[in-house]
Amino acid sequence: EIVLTQSPGTLSLSPGERATLSCRASQSVSSSYLAWYQQKPGQAPRLLIYGASSRATGIPDRFSGSGSGTDFTLTISRLEPEDFAVYYCQQYGSSSWTFGQGTKVEIK
Amino acid sequence: QVQLQESGPGLVKPSETLSLTCTVSGGSISSYYWSWIRQPPGKGLEWIGYIYYSGSTNYNPSLKSRVTISVDTSKNQFSLKLSSVTAADTAVYYCARVRGDYVSGYYYYYMDVWGKGTTVTVSS
Repeated sequence: EIVLTQSPGTLSLSPGERATLSCRASQSVSSSYLAWYQQKPGQAPRLLIYGASSRATGIPDRFSGSGSGTDFTLTISRLEPEDFAVYYCQQYGSSSWTFGQGTKVEIK
Repeated sequence: QVQLQESGPGLVKPSETLSLTCTVSGGSISSYYWSWIRQPPGKGLEWIGYIYYSGSTNYNPSLKSRVTISVDTSKNQFSLKLSSVTAADTAVYYCARVRGDYVSGYYYYYMDVWGKGTTVTVSS
């Protein structure tokens, strides 16, 4: 099973700042099999990024994804108030799909 | 647009079987993978398994001995059964559509449509 480790666990930032979230895999994952989701309290997760770097429909361009192999990054260029949430990476590269444990982006 | 709705009992007794159904509306269940995911209170997401519309399945190894996912294309529904439940199975259960797109020689997988989730509590 591929383990995804996200860091940091919590990111405390102010609106307008840049957020950089990391997702590290225990073994190499094809970029096309890596996705990012946003979850707000009481809501279902929402797809942000697929294929490591492709934005899903309707996702603002302040969200970007990058990386390959075992290291992937989600960047929010300028935090808006609605971006404070928990973010998960997920891999589909092995027969057992896995999520990272999540990074909470909170208002400083 | 496609919408998913989970349904089933909100309370299940320990050792019994949890049964949930996901109804797909606004689109066909054909040609996609369909997945179940759960989230224990205050914790992260856990993938349970998926089913292809044709019936092939794949399960999380940690749950494989207790999980069955099935599909009913005539009703545009897919279902989850989790046997021998304990308090550790208390969670919000989500269903989701999985896209498997083949583009320029690569397969891309992602869950693009999610249900709102249903809370299942395991308690006597």
